[in-house]
Amino acid sequence: DAKTTQPNSMESNEEEPVHLPCNHSTISGTDYIHWYRQLPSQGPEYVIHGLTSNVNNRMASLAIAEDRKSSTLILHRATLRDAAVYYCILRDYNNNDMRFGAGTRLTVKP
Amino acid sequence: DAGVIQSPRHEVTEMGQEVTLRCKPISGHNSLFWYRQTMMRGLELLIYFNNNVPIDDSGMPEDRFSAKMPNASFSTLKIQPSEPRDSAVYFCASSLRRENEKLFFGSGTQLSVL
Repeated sequence: DAKTTQPNSMESNEEEPVHLPCNHSTISGTDYIHWYRQLPSQGPEYVIHGLTSNVNNRMASLAIAEDRKSSTLILHRATLRDAAVYYCILRDYNNNDMRFGAGTRLTVKP
Repeated sequence: DAGVIQSPRHEVTEMGQEVTLRCKPISGHNSLFWYRQTMMRGLELLIYFNNNVPIDDSGMPEDRFSAKMPNASFSTLKIQPSEPRDSAVYFCASSLRRENEKLFFGSGTQLSVL
């Protein structure tokens, strides 16, 4: 049972902003929204997470809809190194598990 | 810290053989996760431990799979007997057992069962 829905793939040009959408219409009040990415031939790495408010860190920004049923990961200036599969995950703070969906494969064109 | 360390990086074995994958979590972390990744099924959570205790093993595919965490610095995932459909990349990850602490992943073990 997929808790999040993401596009299979997206393309971006280098040095342009990228907006990666995620729908999570069945989100509960105890679910945090997490984003991880997986570069080729590597394990996933943490990007960002949030609950209700928008979040910023050195890697990206997370914009969360007011009703929390969707969110958007924003890469402000895509580089070739940002080409990866990006996973949007709901994680209940009462549980410790982390289950990944299919993610969005981001291609960055020079 | 060296990060999460998995061994071996690559394992090639024949069907029916026993396979043991190893993981050393980041020092001080008290949650450990085992994942399997294939093209067909993506990244699947197999089992996770809190304070060395298995919490949820519902993702373990069959009785042929078993995982142990004898202490805070070591975990194993064993497949016995192995089958070709077990071929995948197996990842280990660790985190602090606090609300929504991020996971740190190892580099994975590429398993090929012939």
